[in-house]
Amino acid sequence: EPEVTQTPSHQVTQMGQEVILRCVPISNHLYFYWYRQILGQKVEFLVSFYNNEISEKSEIFDDQFSVERPDGSNFTLKIRSTKLEDSAMYFCASTKGLGEVYEQFFGPGTRLTVL
Amino acid sequence: DQQVKQNSPSLSVQEGRISILNCDYTNSMFDYFLWYKKYPAEGPTFLISISSIKDKNEDGRFTVFLNKSAKHLSLHIVPSQPGDSAVYFCAATGYGGSQGNLIFGKGTKLSVKP
Repeated sequence: EPEVTQTPSHQVTQMGQEVILRCVPISNHLYFYWYRQILGQKVEFLVSFYNNEISEKSEIFDDQFSVERPDGSNFTLKIRSTKLEDSAMYFCASTKGLGEVYEQFFGPGTRLTVL
Repeated sequence: DQQVKQNSPSLSVQEGRISILNCDYTNSMFDYFLWYKKYPAEGPTFLISISSIKDKNEDGRFTVFLNKSAKHLSLHIVPSQPGDSAVYFCAATGYGGSQGNLIFGKGTKLSVKP
């Protein structure tokens, strides 16, 4: 069964450093998302991406964040200058398309630890 | 601003009995609701969904009920199995102005005891 994959599974970085989290969505999916979950809190939407551009972003997704689909398979989230409060699980998700089907398939997540 | 609320942080049920997980929402623009299951160190796994034009959707042991007037939905698991022990998230999304981003509740941790 096709699945969303994410690398790395765990990233440790120093405050102020740049990190890039990588995702490979399911191959025939068209909409891509990043979510995060701070420990003990709910899963929060960060950004959606369709047709090579951002469709929607939350207030969390400030200028320190960017997303890119550099080729036909990868979808990346970059945090330019990490802060302690960026420590969280980051989940990538994808879906075939809107309309009646909203089910998003999530990857296993990347645990980001900012020291 | 909790648009999706799961007021029970945990639920314990005996194996074979029914598990009922509840979810309330405040945004009347939501028109599609989903339940996800999550194990530790894994991503959320889609379980079942329901459109606002329906009041019930069933898939095997899982049934979701939607009461639009009360802005309430529930997930029923019958019969409950120990492997169902996980955190269950209710999520909602709406067509109006939203490109499908999901708004999640805080989750309910279900423990099914043998």
